[in-house]
Amino acid sequence: QVQLIQSGAEVRKAGASVTVSCKASGDTFSYTINWVRQVPGQGLEWMGGLIPIFDTVNYAQKFQGRVTITADKSTSTTYMELSNLRSEDTAVYYCARDRAGYGTTFFDYWGQGTLVTVSS
Amino acid sequence: DIQMTQSPSTLSASVGDRVTVTCRASQSISSFLAWYQQKPGKAPKLLIYKASSLENGVPSRFSGSGSGTEFTLTISSLQPDDFASYYCQQYNSDFPNTFGQGTKLEIK
Repeated sequence: QVQLIQSGAEVRKAGASVTVSCKASGDTFSYTINWVRQVPGQGLEWMGGLIPIFDTVNYAQKFQGRVTITADKSTSTTYMELSNLRSEDTAVYYCARDRAGYGTTFFDYWGQGTLVTVSS
Repeated sequence: DIQMTQSPSTLSASVGDRVTVTCRASQSISSFLAWYQQKPGKAPKLLIYKASSLENGVPSRFSGSGSGTEFTLTISSLQPDDFASYYCQQYNSDFPNTFGQGTKLEIK
């Protein structure tokens, strides 16, 4: 049974950084783990994905330079760090397992979401 | 990036109705399209992938169709549990994947 458990809610000041973790259990080792965010009341936005088979990370151009996705294989945990936070980064951040292990396709298992609130 | 446009943004319907949500891509994505259902405060749930393949465990009243730039999600007979928001997502490998803006399905 696949489960993705994310770290708890965070509050940060504008300009700071935040790291959200996503601990996986079950069959996730060879699958891409993606990060998707949702600003309150708005739609879904893909931020990036870590592809373990190639040990590479793809980032959405919008977040390039501000987001870093890493993984600790020993603990099956993926991390998403977002830096230089602004108020518009206030959102729920989700990790999601990709059906594929070779790239980014569609997402069949999701974490419960982590609310990041950025105050000015 | 490929833009995904859903219509309508809001849909009011009754239990037992047949409803259709449309998703249009700004350029051809072949059949690389998924549909998700999201309820308030919850993570999205995968319903359909590859435009028309039903995810395991999803009721057969959900179906998807289309290819190229135009796609539809149909719920054949609405159930109370189906009132939620629905999102399409394109995953053409040549481009970053993108989501539609969502369709909120409300009780009439």
